[in-house]
Amino acid sequence: SAVISQKPSRDICQRGTSLTIQCQVDSQVTMMFWYRQQPGQSLTLIATANQGSEATYESGFVIDKFPISRPNLTFSTLTVSNMSPEDSSIYLCSAPRDTEGQPQHFGDGTRLSIL
Amino acid sequence: AQRVTQPEKLLSVFKGAPVELKCNYSYSGSPELFWYVQYSRQRLQLLLRHISRESIKGFTADLNKGETSFHLKKPFAQEEDSAMYYCALRAGANNLFFGTGTRLTVIP
Repeated sequence: SAVISQKPSRDICQRGTSLTIQCQVDSQVTMMFWYRQQPGQSLTLIATANQGSEATYESGFVIDKFPISRPNLTFSTLTVSNMSPEDSSIYLCSAPRDTEGQPQHFGDGTRLSIL
Repeated sequence: AQRVTQPEKLLSVFKGAPVELKCNYSYSGSPELFWYVQYSRQRLQLLLRHISRESIKGFTADLNKGETSFHLKKPFAQEEDSAMYYCALRAGANNLFFGTGTRLTVIP
């Protein structure tokens, strides 16, 4: 089954800066997913990252704010751009287990705090 | 539009007592439902999915399409069951929609 590694595990950033979060999967998967979990709230899908094409963003999320890269079948990055305190959240990467159609499994998440 | 509702934010039960975590959903298509669990200081992990109709760690969940529910049940709660539980619905390719979660505390 796929193991998902995410880094950094946490960071404290200044307002207006950007941070790139990396997600590595130990097996090849077509789709990877990025979620946000704001304090006290549930997980919300930001976008689906497909290898070889642009990411598909959910309503309320835009590429300029959350650019995503997917250079190969085992790796993706999410950048949180021009950060403000409202971006303080846990950001999680996920991927299906083994093959498409299987349930998603999650990384440990990146806890981001913006001052 | 799809929606997952977990009406209880917090739930406390005594060890050995039955536990039921409620989940209701709204979805126009054929739903696929999951329960995820997050133990303290651990990552979110899949507990069970309705398609499998399996029992994991003593937990079961039955999809009731008439009531649009997918409640999670365990006949005898254990202290190690204390965790955050999320109900999730898969709509489309792989989009997962999560409920707001229920924090279960099992009292010794």
